[in-house]
Amino acid sequence: GQNIDQPTEMTATEGAIVQINCTYQTSGFNGLFWYQQHAGEAPTFLSYNVLDGLEEKGRFSSFLSRSKGYSYLLLKELQMKDSASYLCAVRDRSFQKLVFGTGTRLLVSP
Amino acid sequence: DTGVSQDPRHKITKRGQNVTFRCDPISEHNRLYWYRQTLGQGPEFLTYFQNEAQLEKSRLLSDRFSAERPKGSFSTLEIQRTEQGDSAMYLCASSLITGNTIYFGEGSWLTVV
Repeated sequence: GQNIDQPTEMTATEGAIVQINCTYQTSGFNGLFWYQQHAGEAPTFLSYNVLDGLEEKGRFSSFLSRSKGYSYLLLKELQMKDSASYLCAVRDRSFQKLVFGTGTRLLVSP
Repeated sequence: DTGVSQDPRHKITKRGQNVTFRCDPISEHNRLYWYRQTLGQGPEFLTYFQNEAQLEKSRLLSDRFSAERPKGSFSTLEIQRTEQGDSAMYLCASSLITGNTIYFGEGSWLTVV
């Protein structure tokens, strides 16, 4: 089975940096994904990590440590439009489906 | 538009009625997934297809749920004898077999009254 944990809710201020953590326990692992989801909309792909280390993409970075079963998503220079849910997902052993955590709701205030 | 397309976007139905959702994946994507999402939760996997073959079904998918992908292109998800607990957003997603990204459609909202 798979268990994915992330904080339920976080708040931050416009212009700040926020780190959203994700821990996972899985019977198989073939990559960790982060998605952004605005209320009432579909999840949109943000990042993918399969090897340990940091992947940077503009204001967003994602880190993975496979030995610790840990990932984080780092958002820099926060903007109001970054208020959304951030979903951590693990791809299962067979390279097929994604298993999602419950998501972290981020609220960015002025 | 070349993204994943779902229809209808919203459906209100009475308990006990049948509903069907359609998904058109991104062209050439071999894999097609169905997920269900309720408020405050992450998407829950329901089933997936590789081409026309349904390769995995979640235990969440009771016998009232059936999905098809007859020609390996579009897919349908049917829910028979709907219950209030079926109220949720039903998400379709697609990917290439070799791809590292799964793309989601806008979702179909189901409300059972």
